[in-house]
Amino acid sequence: ELKVEQNPLFLSMQEEKNYTIYCNYSTTSDRLYWYRQDPGKSLESLFVLLSNGAVKQEGRLMASLDTKARLSTLHITAAVHDLSATYFCAIYSGGGADGLTFGKGTHLIIQP
Amino acid sequence: EPEVTQTPSHQVTQMGQEVILRCVPISNHLYFYWYRQILGQKVEFLVSFYNNEISEKSEIFDDQFSVERPDGSNFTLKIRSTKLEDSAMYFCASILGRPGAVGGYTFGSGTRLTVV
Repeated sequence: ELKVEQNPLFLSMQEEKNYTIYCNYSTTSDRLYWYRQDPGKSLESLFVLLSNGAVKQEGRLMASLDTKARLSTLHITAAVHDLSATYFCAIYSGGGADGLTFGKGTHLIIQP
Repeated sequence: EPEVTQTPSHQVTQMGQEVILRCVPISNHLYFYWYRQILGQKVEFLVSFYNNEISEKSEIFDDQFSVERPDGSNFTLKIRSTKLEDSAMYFCASILGRPGAVGGYTFGSGTRLTVV
């Protein structure tokens, strides 16, 4: 069974601080997705990481993928309150499986 | 930017009743999906649909669930006899190309189903 584990599950941090969310997965994959979800809302696509060593940045968020370690990170630089949300990573494992397997999500609160 | 549209946004139903959740995927997308998210929990894959038939389904997608694309634009999820544990947010998604494609998956805004 494919497992996707996020760490931490809950994070409260202050503005202007840096932090990293980790996503470990248990099977070979070169397709990793990061989504943001605001309370009661849909999933907003942040990054699609398609190969080992992929790094993508958008504003204060940067995501990377290490397929050998089966690890992706989402780094937040100089956090601002607007980044408060739940962040999910998801894996497409292929091999006939169509759907994404999601982690439990990291609930991020950024306090002034 | 193209969107995946879901209706209704919120539905309350009595246990044992049938519900139909509706989705309009992005028009040129090929694969369609239903996911669910029980309150405060992770998003779970239910079913994928391609070329007018189910491509893959999860263990959650039992005989109480069915999907169809009745008219070439709408994509529906039917729950025949709802249970309390079916209460969740249901998301429709679609993707241009095959699963895992570069373009990524687009999710709809969701239908919150409450079974009482």
